[in-house]
Amino acid sequence: DGGITQSPKYLFRKEGQNVTLSCEQNLNHDAMYWYRQDPGQGLRLIYYSQIVNDFQKGDIAEGYSVSREKKESFPLTVTSAQKNPTAFYLCASSFFYSGTGITYEQYFGPGTRLTVT
Amino acid sequence: GQQVMQIPQYQHVQEGEDFTTYCNSSTTLSNIQWYKQRPGGHPVFLIQLVKSGEVKKQKRLTFQFGEAKKNSSLHITATQTTDVGTYFCGTDKLIFGTGTRLQVFP
Repeated sequence: DGGITQSPKYLFRKEGQNVTLSCEQNLNHDAMYWYRQDPGQGLRLIYYSQIVNDFQKGDIAEGYSVSREKKESFPLTVTSAQKNPTAFYLCASSFFYSGTGITYEQYFGPGTRLTVT
Repeated sequence: GQQVMQIPQYQHVQEGEDFTTYCNSSTTLSNIQWYKQRPGGHPVFLIQLVKSGEVKKQKRLTFQFGEAKKNSSLHITATQTTDVGTYFCGTDKLIFGTGTRLQVFP
């Protein structure tokens, strides 16, 4: 079964701790993305990666870090520097993303709901 | 940078009524995508529009891309309870509208 997985589904952390969210895809997609979703605010781009060993900041990258060592994996670390980390985090992938011109259909994972207290 | 506005924010309809959501961009778009997110779920791709003035249909759903390629709409004819969810537009710069949450009353 091809798809994109995120784990865990729910995550609870204490303030001041870093936490890493997992994202794996077996769709052979080059591009991967991390979005944050807050109530009434839609999806906001945190980071994206067009290819292995390369990634770019999105609109709200502060307090987050990523790595792309393998094509299949794009983990997101929420650091203690992120002021409001409690949110629903969605990972997505697509065949390709050039940054200019047409974008491709994005496949989303089931998401991780992070609560920091 | 590119700004995207989506309206309305919420829409409550009686089953069988029509529904429309609109997406407006501050810049000309290469393409626009539409996604649906069911309550508690994740966004699922519905369609992509690329050409100026393009109209695409999927059963009761009709998608339009404006002539200037700066706006788009999604129209659902005769809504059903299965249409409940939030509908998002997404642009070529990975910017999503804030979504329109559709509630359908039987």
